[in-house]
Amino acid sequence: DQQVKQNSPSLSVQEGRISILNCDYTNSMFDYFLWYKKYPAEGPTFLISISSIKDKNEDGRFTVFLNKSAKHLSLHIVPSQPGDSAVYFCAASRRDSWGKLQFGAGTQVVVTP
Amino acid sequence: DTEVTQTPKHLVMGMTNKKSLKCEQHMGHRAMYWYKQKAKKPPELMFVYSYEKLSINESVPSRFSPECPNSSLLNLHLHALQPEDSALYLCASSPSPGTYNEQFFGPGTRLTVL
Repeated sequence: DQQVKQNSPSLSVQEGRISILNCDYTNSMFDYFLWYKKYPAEGPTFLISISSIKDKNEDGRFTVFLNKSAKHLSLHIVPSQPGDSAVYFCAASRRDSWGKLQFGAGTQVVVTP
Repeated sequence: DTEVTQTPKHLVMGMTNKKSLKCEQHMGHRAMYWYKQKAKKPPELMFVYSYEKLSINESVPSRFSPECPNSSLLNLHLHALQPEDSALYLCASSPSPGTYNEQFFGPGTRLTVL
């Protein structure tokens, strides 16, 4: 049962424009959400996180928005750069799970010149 | 030192072999994790170690045997694997177990079982 879903397998965006990645979850017990970026042949790299008591968190070019009522979060990258081309995973965890992360299927982002 | 290292980078083994994967971190983290990632799929949790004790085993077959000799080191012992066990094995660590901690991942070991 996939409790974290990323319904867009790929996204193409022009350099300098905004990238918006979406993630939905089904388990209302999740209380911490993270975004990871992954290049081929490397491990995932942590980007940004948000706890369920907030609705927005910003770090440089990256902003994550959380809509708990809709069980939806999104990652905004602005401006997009060629080095942002990678697979982006949304992940979620719950307080009683010893830090177990449940990942979405990932979205492949390609930033074009 | 802010990284998680994994050795070897690549491993090819037969179904009767015994091998081990190694993971190391020197960030003082007290939680360490093993994930398995198949091609074009997300990482899936296998084991969680918290303060060197096994906290979670996600119903992983006994042919995978984790070990945490000390707070910096995590091993995964492999024996009698099947070809379907071929995957990228990722190790991660976090400052403490539980939520509100990002996990730092190593580069992974690409395992091929013949």
